[in-house]
Amino acid sequence: GAGVSQSPSNKVTEKGKDVELRCDPISGHTALYWYRQSLGQGLEFLIYFQGNSAPDKSGLPSDRFSAERTGGSVSTLTIQRTQQEDSAVYLCASSLTLTSETQYFGPGTRLLVL
Amino acid sequence: AQSVSQHNHHVILSEAASLELGCNYSYGGTVNLFWYVQYPGQHLQLLLKYFSGDPLVKGIKGFEAEFIKSKFSFNLRKPSVQWSDTAEYFCAVTAKYSGGGADGLTFGKGTHLIIQP
Repeated sequence: GAGVSQSPSNKVTEKGKDVELRCDPISGHTALYWYRQSLGQGLEFLIYFQGNSAPDKSGLPSDRFSAERTGGSVSTLTIQRTQQEDSAVYLCASSLTLTSETQYFGPGTRLLVL
Repeated sequence: AQSVSQHNHHVILSEAASLELGCNYSYGGTVNLFWYVQYPGQHLQLLLKYFSGDPLVKGIKGFEAEFIKSKFSFNLRKPSVQWSDTAEYFCAVTAKYSGGGADGLTFGKGTHLIIQP
């Protein structure tokens, strides 16, 4: 596609439920990144993938967060047992390669945990 | 780890005024520097970037930024702003690893710019 796409664009869930957020990177981009944008914390980096591999998961806020990428393309960010503090906009970005390349951002998924 | 500081959280200017948004970063090694913009209701877009070479870089819509290594700064400038420049502006940095590879972007808190007609 022309740009990074994310789905759903909005998600409202109840506390304690699991949610899955999806990211489709720009075709041919091997690197993929997840960020979180919230009022209190600003823009936080969560995790990146080179191909299907995520070498460093230390940026994930808690063990309730996990991410995977299959086929070097689509990625899903899963939040288990959601909490109200998980409410934020989750942004995905991709770049052609991992090495010092410009990242292109998707529109984000706005998550609201009630 | 890197950190980024943006000096102004809110800036209000009149059209045709000159703009300078401050950005300082903290990191002991070589970095790549970026300014991103988020217009109301839209996603983050790249304004300009610095990887190496001429420290004065020009971006889209008349924006430019100057990398001053000795000051760890990468300030954004525009000589004459327009109402359509109203947006949130984010400075960001990644560490440049000599062996290849990179980390995620570290962002500043953002500057909310309002241009009054």
